[in-house]
Amino acid sequence: NAGVTQTPKFQVLKTGQSMTLQCAQDMNHNSMYWYRQDPGMGLRLIYYSASEGTTDKGEVPNGYNVSRLNKREFSLRLESAAPSQTSVYFCASRGQGLNTEAFFGQGTRLTVV
Amino acid sequence: AQSVTQPDIHITVSEGASLELRCNYSYGATPYLFWYVQSPGQGLQLLLKYFSGDTLVQGIKGFEAEFKRSQSSFNLRKPSVHWSDAAEYFCAVVGDYKLSFGAGTTVTVRA
Repeated sequence: NAGVTQTPKFQVLKTGQSMTLQCAQDMNHNSMYWYRQDPGMGLRLIYYSASEGTTDKGEVPNGYNVSRLNKREFSLRLESAAPSQTSVYFCASRGQGLNTEAFFGQGTRLTVV
Repeated sequence: AQSVTQPDIHITVSEGASLELRCNYSYGATPYLFWYVQSPGQGLQLLLKYFSGDTLVQGIKGFEAEFKRSQSSFNLRKPSVHWSDAAEYFCAVVGDYKLSFGAGTTVTVRA
């Protein structure tokens, strides 16, 4: 009964390095989301995928790319990491219907030095 | 575009006192609204949700929220706060599959 699984849990990158954050859900949900959480800023939406095969920009997409690999998996890629991308990243998924709740992963704490 | 505003960044309340957290939303159509709680170092947990019907909705842990369309508000309340309610609380709105959150309100509970 895993729910939403994010890997890795912690990561330190050097400026300019690239990496991919992985997210997988086992609830057969259609919609998946990537957020970043910074103190005083709440959760800001980076990208989302309403269904398999579609992705859309959220509020803060610059510097990120996403791939909805299949219905289960939604990855977030940082092509050239910057210190401003130091944050905690959360993946979430939701089922069919606008009134369904979102389920969240435990987060990835990323530090860019 | 949809948005959520939580006017209070931080609230301190005494244990046993009542709590009210404010949330204002902006969305052109019928809103689907949620309140989530995040305990320190944890992920987010759903407290309650509103999508139609009764304007007062009940949630887990003794929380309730009232939807007021005329004020574009969805305020969260608890009659008597416990020390374990110390956490960060987020209001959220869904529109066209996009799930947007407010900046959050941190609640501190003093003995």
